Amino acid sequence: NAGVTQTPKFQVLKTGQSMTLQCAQDMNHNSMYWYRQDPGMGLRLIYYSASEGTTDKGEVPNGYNVSRLNKREFSLRLESAAPSQTSVYFCATFGGVQETQYFGPGTRLLVL
Amino acid sequence: KQEVTQIPAALSVPEGENLVLNCSFTDSAIYNLQWFRQDPGKGLTSLLLIQSSQREQTSGRLNASLDKSSGRSTLYIAASQPGDSATYLCAVEAGANNLFFGTGTRLTVIP
Repeated sequence: NAGVTQTPKFQVLKTGQSMTLQCAQDMNHNSMYWYRQDPGMGLRLIYYSASEGTTDKGEVPNGYNVSRLNKREFSLRLESAAPSQTSVYFCATFGGVQETQYFGPGTRLLVL
Repeated sequence: KQEVTQIPAALSVPEGENLVLNCSFTDSAIYNLQWFRQDPGKGLTSLLLIQSSQREQTSGRLNASLDKSSGRSTLYIAASQPGDSATYLCAVEAGANNLFFGTGTRLTVIP
């Protein structure tokens, strides 16, 4: 089992460019999340999806869109990247016996 | 809004020492509190989860306590090892899909 996978691992964008961060899970969990992690700020929730076909905004949704393509995949799109979106992005799922969150390895994004 | 604070931001200890990491939160209306470990360049791994009705949880050399009324949690690591070097994050769940994270304590265990 791969758990939670994210692609790409690292990306450099120029201001104004667009890109999609991909997340996939093989844990059969209903809930999926996108966080960003910035120095001194902790992890902050961008969007989440409680189940296939539903998405909701988190604490910092501005500048992002998401798609829950199916139960396995949850993508995060930056339509017009800004330097303020330079961050490490983590995808997570929720579930399991202990009912906790399981995190992917992260995508490091640099916007110039 | 729930705020989670972790002190100290960084800690260095010699191998074998017992240590305590601290976490405080501002709103005691929580469902649970979790401690995570994050290795450099990696994602987060859940270490311990304490439900709001519980006082502590133990896993091996790790013991986490929760005092909801005072808004505090501690993570105790016994007989520290170099492999324990990582950043430790605490997070409180204040509602469904509502997890608030602290900024972490970066632990270095010196051989």
